[in-house]
Amino acid sequence: GAGVSQTPSNKVTEKGKYVELRCDPISGHTALYWYRQSLGQGPEFLIYFQGTGAADDSGLPNDRFFAVRPEGSVSTLKIQRTERGDSAVYLCASSPDPSYEQYFGPGTRLTVT
Amino acid sequence: AQKVTQAQTEISVVEKEDVTLDCVYETRDTTYYLFWYKQPPSGELVFLIRRNSFDEQNEISGRYSWNFQKSTSSFNFTITASQVVDSAVYFCALSRAGTASKLTFGTGTRLQVTL
Repeated sequence: GAGVSQTPSNKVTEKGKYVELRCDPISGHTALYWYRQSLGQGPEFLIYFQGTGAADDSGLPNDRFFAVRPEGSVSTLKIQRTERGDSAVYLCASSPDPSYEQYFGPGTRLTVT
Repeated sequence: AQKVTQAQTEISVVEKEDVTLDCVYETRDTTYYLFWYKQPPSGELVFLIRRNSFDEQNEISGRYSWNFQKSTSSFNFTITASQVVDSAVYFCALSRAGTASKLTFGTGTRLQVTL
């Protein structure tokens, strides 16, 4: 079946602009996670959704970052007033249940110039 | 706090050699899960294995095997008879057992297998 998909695959934006990154999880997966991976590092947790609600947003670095999952399926990660330090690959993962392994999408590479 | 350490930044082997990737973890939780993921050059993380903290049996899957030792907080990964297609970055990760199990990743080990 179809895996986790993320759009766009690449996004270049200017410092100070607003961006939205989209994640389409595996059908039927109730748990959805966002991670950020900087060059040469492992992914770092940002936020976790169970259904429509954000069950854990402890990894969001500041209030410029926000994510939604209004219908319990597709999720959007929103970044306001982007900074060059936000440049990274943003990964989305989904799981049929929080206690199961997570399946990752291909990521969105965000470059802030 | 949870922490995963992968001390080997990069390993190079010749095809058909065996190679072991080390993973050491820290957690105060009594029950937890350990994972290995593979990130090939294409970039997409591929799930390899999940291990529960109360199950210390070693596991073998084809050319892959995992050695979990709670006494040393290690969860090492061995590839037998490595192949060029094994070239990738490998990540070890840790999560709490139960719900809301966000993953804490190590920094990864880049494995280069050459002919």
